[in-house]
Amino acid sequence: AQSVTQPDIHITVSEGASLELRCNYSYGATPYLFWYVQSPGQGLQLLLKYFSGDTLVQGIKGFEAEFKRSQSSFNLRKPSVHWSDAAEYFCAVGASGGGADGLTFGKGTHLIIQP
Amino acid sequence: GAVVSQHPSWVICKSGTSVKIECRSLDFQATTMFWYRQFPKQSLMLMATSNEGSKATYEQGVEKDKFLINHASLTLSTLTVTSAHPEDSSFYICSARVPLAGVGEQFFGPGTRLTVL
Repeated sequence: AQSVTQPDIHITVSEGASLELRCNYSYGATPYLFWYVQSPGQGLQLLLKYFSGDTLVQGIKGFEAEFKRSQSSFNLRKPSVHWSDAAEYFCAVGASGGGADGLTFGKGTHLIIQP
Repeated sequence: GAVVSQHPSWVICKSGTSVKIECRSLDFQATTMFWYRQFPKQSLMLMATSNEGSKATYEQGVEKDKFLINHASLTLSTLTVTSAHPEDSSFYICSARVPLAGVGEQFFGPGTRLTVL
């Protein structure tokens, strides 16, 4: 069975500093990986996704993630965070790239931005 | 972009009553929708996959008689929590797969907060 681990429950970063959120997955085949952001009162928004090809994926809002098969990781990064980035971030893995299956989510990382 | 709505956004009910939550795709037709449950400070757990015109597929451990799912049209799926109890209190989120969209991409509704007294 597939699983996703986000080791950090909370992360506090100063505004303007760089950010890295960790994600490790367990899946037998090539995974389909996603990062979502959840803000209060809003639905989950897709930041980026990886299916194949270039292991460095660019997303919206200045985020990027790197797929490392050898480490079973898909860490999310941003070079300079803004106060509006404060939110809950979820890493997810899908068994089917066609979207026929639901996603398995990590427990999330709560990002706090210090002024 | 694709928009998914949920109604109501929050609901409070008495123990033993049934509650219906609607999930609508506003600007596209969704043959497949998904229902997730999120506990406070926890991850989203997939409950079931809803396919238009056919029975829903439930994940292991999810009571199909407790959580009734109906996907009667290409834009609407409903989740009915029957004989709700306090332990059913949770945040319920639906998502819809957009046909021909990016591989694997799902669009999520804003969620429904259910509180059972």
